[in-house]
Amino acid sequence: RKEVEQDPGPFNVPEGATVAFNCTYSNSASQSFFWYRQDCRKEPKLLMSVYSSGNEDGRFTAQLNRASQYISLLIRDSKLSDSATYLCVVIPSGGSYIPTFGRGTSLIVHP
Amino acid sequence: GAGVSQSPSNKVTEKGKDVELRCDPISGHTALYWYRQRLGQGLEFLIYFQGNSAPDKSGLPSDRFSAERTGESVSTLTIQRTQQEDSAVYLCASSPGRRTFGSGTRLTVV
Repeated sequence: RKEVEQDPGPFNVPEGATVAFNCTYSNSASQSFFWYRQDCRKEPKLLMSVYSSGNEDGRFTAQLNRASQYISLLIRDSKLSDSATYLCVVIPSGGSYIPTFGRGTSLIVHP
Repeated sequence: GAGVSQSPSNKVTEKGKDVELRCDPISGHTALYWYRQRLGQGLEFLIYFQGNSAPDKSGLPSDRFSAERTGESVSTLTIQRTQQEDSAVYLCASSPGRRTFGSGTRLTVV
């Protein structure tokens, strides 16, 4: 099993739709979780951290389910500008702070 | 500078040549990471520097790859005897705080 797994998609949704992505991780001791966004031929940029209690930033909601070892990202009222690849990032505990990236989920928002 | 700076932004090299990629982290950032991203693939960890500690080289794919960092400043990633499979975007990130990536070096080995 890969350390961090994501459905590559693409998820093809109309503007205004709500879309959700999941990401599973294999290391139960993982301590920190993030979602990054990567536009085509650009570097990844931090979208949001994921907290145990769940957190929201505008149209974006991130949640963590430690029991099932997955995190999720929900995007409400999708905009054309949300089209990108969304990368799940997991940082293990135990001294190594090396972020492991998922391969990303591609989102295409169409008019 | 305000962000992570990488150079060159693009590099085309002949198979068998050596290349050196440079990363200037955000000032004061003690941690520096190198990743590789092949076309259509995810980010592959290469090497991690934390302050003056010994680097974590566990992600380097072969002994053709090496990296150096002096203190908490510039890092260079060197690829010797480049192969076509080395073609990728090489990304550098620094932290603490939010891990900020540079815009990468797009390496093409022909």
